[in-house]
Amino acid sequence: QSPLAQPRSLSGSPGQSVTISCTGTSRDIGSFNYVSWYQQYPGKPPQFILFDVNKRPSGVPDRFSGSKSGNTASLTISGLQADDEADYYCCSYAGNYNYVFGSGTTVTVL
Amino acid sequence: QVQLQESGPGLVKPSETLSLNCTVSGGSMITYYWSWIRQSPGKGLEWIGFIYSSGSADYSPSLKSRVTMSLDTSKNQFSLKVTSVSPADTAVYYCARRVGAGFDYWGQGILVTVSS
Repeated sequence: QSPLAQPRSLSGSPGQSVTISCTGTSRDIGSFNYVSWYQQYPGKPPQFILFDVNKRPSGVPDRFSGSKSGNTASLTISGLQADDEADYYCCSYAGNYNYVFGSGTTVTVL
Repeated sequence: QVQLQESGPGLVKPSETLSLNCTVSGGSMITYYWSWIRQSPGKGLEWIGFIYSSGSADYSPSLKSRVTMSLDTSKNQFSLKVTSVSPADTAVYYCARRVGAGFDYWGQGILVTVSS
């Protein structure tokens, strides 16, 4: 099962918005509204920031939002802040009790 | 606050079996799914599989032939075994709790190197 495709890197200035795409297939993202997103700082475990495409766990700022269209899910970070500089991974349910992660995107705050 | 902690050998020889444990504290294991996820050095995340509190498990198709998970709810622990390892299995191994279709609590991770 191939990883979901994400851009390798994105950048933005403080206060701007960045949108990270996550492209799968009709067998995963296209079939289920079960996309989650994770933020990972170097040397740390991933942190859960979105689930079911666009729901935020308690404590996650509303600057993080999600959407989906067809086989592509997206994470938008609005009002970019210095501590948003991290790696971001998407994950989708892929049927038959399987999950697949994205290839990861490094966000740099200029 | 739920906490997870991985433990096990940090070095495994090629062709041998990798064995890791994850200890759960601050919450019950009952009615949750418990997962293993790994991250090769400098690479992305790879889902390995999960085990439900009843003991039923599902594994990634790419690893299914070499992976076994088990759990002991009385000890608040679950385990991972990967047989016939090769250097390609070198990774940071994370245990995590699955809730719905997301992974909400993660351990700190343990680096396992496969080398002779």
